[in-house]
Amino acid sequence: GAGVSQTPSNKVTEKGKYVELRCDPISGHTALYWYRQSLGQGPEFLIYFQGTGAADDSGLPNDRFFAVRPEGSVSTLKIQRTERGDSAVYLCASSLTSGYQETQYFGPGTRLLVL
Amino acid sequence: ELKVEQNPLFLSMQEGKNYTIYCNYSTTSDRLYWYRQDPGKSLESLFVLLSNGAVKQEGRLMASLDTKARLSTLHITAAVHDLSATYFCAVDPGTYKYIFGTGTRLKVLA
Repeated sequence: GAGVSQTPSNKVTEKGKYVELRCDPISGHTALYWYRQSLGQGPEFLIYFQGTGAADDSGLPNDRFFAVRPEGSVSTLKIQRTERGDSAVYLCASSLTSGYQETQYFGPGTRLLVL
Repeated sequence: ELKVEQNPLFLSMQEGKNYTIYCNYSTTSDRLYWYRQDPGKSLESLFVLLSNGAVKQEGRLMASLDTKARLSTLHITAAVHDLSATYFCAVDPGTYKYIFGTGTRLKVLA
């Protein structure tokens, strides 16, 4: 079946611009996660959705970052006034539920480069 | 703060050899995941270890978990070139927020 998909696969923007990154989870998965992976590092948690609500956004680095999941499926990560330090790969993952022992399945990521 | 450390960070090995990658973590958890990542690609789930003493094997890879020692190992048997990738362990401390190690970049030389 289809896995997690993310668009765009690559995004180049200028400092100060606004960007949106989209994630389509596996069909039927209620839990959705965003991670950020900097070069040479492991992914770092940003935000978690259970259904439509953000259950935990403690990993968002500052208020320039925001994410929504209005219908409990597709999610959009929004970054305002981008900075060069925001350059990274943004990974989305989904799991069937958020319960114990649920494996998170990752999408291919969006590579964001802020010039 | 939960920390997850992997070693080695880089590993270059000859085909046919055996080696072990170590994943140490700093807090109580009995859920640990191993992922593989190829360059420019996303994370592929390899193993899910859910209890102390869990051992799982797939092909030339075997993963184990010792929750008392807070240690997981990924053992490679008779390495082949196709295993070249970066391997990450991730710990779930019960909050669904996976904490990843920094990864082990494996290169298998023909």
